[in-house]
Amino acid sequence: DAGVIQSPRHEVTEMGQEVTLRCKPISGHNSLFWYRQTMMRGLELLIYFNNNVPIDDSGMPEDRFSAKMPNASFSTLKIQPSEPRDSAVYFCASSSWAGGQETQYFGPGTRLLVL
Amino acid sequence: GDSVTQMEGPVTLSEEAFLTINCTYTATGYPSLFWYVQYPGEGLQLLLKATKADDKGSNKGFEATYRKETTSFHLEKGSVQVSDSAVYFCALIRNTGGFKTIFGAGTRLFVKA
Repeated sequence: DAGVIQSPRHEVTEMGQEVTLRCKPISGHNSLFWYRQTMMRGLELLIYFNNNVPIDDSGMPEDRFSAKMPNASFSTLKIQPSEPRDSAVYFCASSSWAGGQETQYFGPGTRLLVL
Repeated sequence: GDSVTQMEGPVTLSEEAFLTINCTYTATGYPSLFWYVQYPGEGLQLLLKATKADDKGSNKGFEATYRKETTSFHLEKGSVQVSDSAVYFCALIRNTGGFKTIFGAGTRLFVKA
C-alpha cells in the first residue's frame, strides 16, 4: 500500500520566492498534519486538518505560511515570501481519526533550503 | 503544559548490547504514547505504541511499557544490531482538553560492529 506521498523531496529557492509543498495522505485517512523539523526546535506541529477542514493552525509561524486541503487526497503548504530561516524539513502525516489519539503515519519529507 | 523529555544522545553501543532510551512525559488526561524511528533522509516510522497505563508496546525486538505512576515510556531492546542505528523519538498524543501532539528532541543511536 502506498504511504504518505510528498513532493518535491528537495527544494532550493531564493529568499522572497514562493514555495509550495504538496502532500497526498494515505487513502481512507481523514486527518492530515503538517510538521516542521529543525535542529534547533525539533519537530513542531504547524497545522492539522480533519475531514479537509483546518482545525488548529496555531503552530503556523507567521502569515507567510498558509495551508489548504481542497479534497481528501491532497494538501499544500505554501510559504510566501520565503526566508532563509524557513529552511527545514517539512513532513506531512495522516491518520484515521476516531478519538484523536491514533497513530500518525509520516511521509518522507521535503527538505527546503532558502538561500 | 504538555512535554516529552528524552535522554540526550548520542548513544553509542556495540552490537548485541542492551539498549535503554529513557522517556518521561507530562500531559493532561491520558495520552497515547509512541516511539518513532527515523533513518537518515527518511520520515518518521512508527516503531511501537501504547494507549493506556500498563500497556506494553513491542515491535522488532523493541519494547516499552506505559508507566503512569512514573510518567515514563522507556524504550528497550535486549540485543541491538548495526541496522538499529537511527534517531528515536518519543511522542505523546492526547485529545483531552484539546488536541496535542508533542515529540521529544530525539536520541541518536550508533551501533558499532
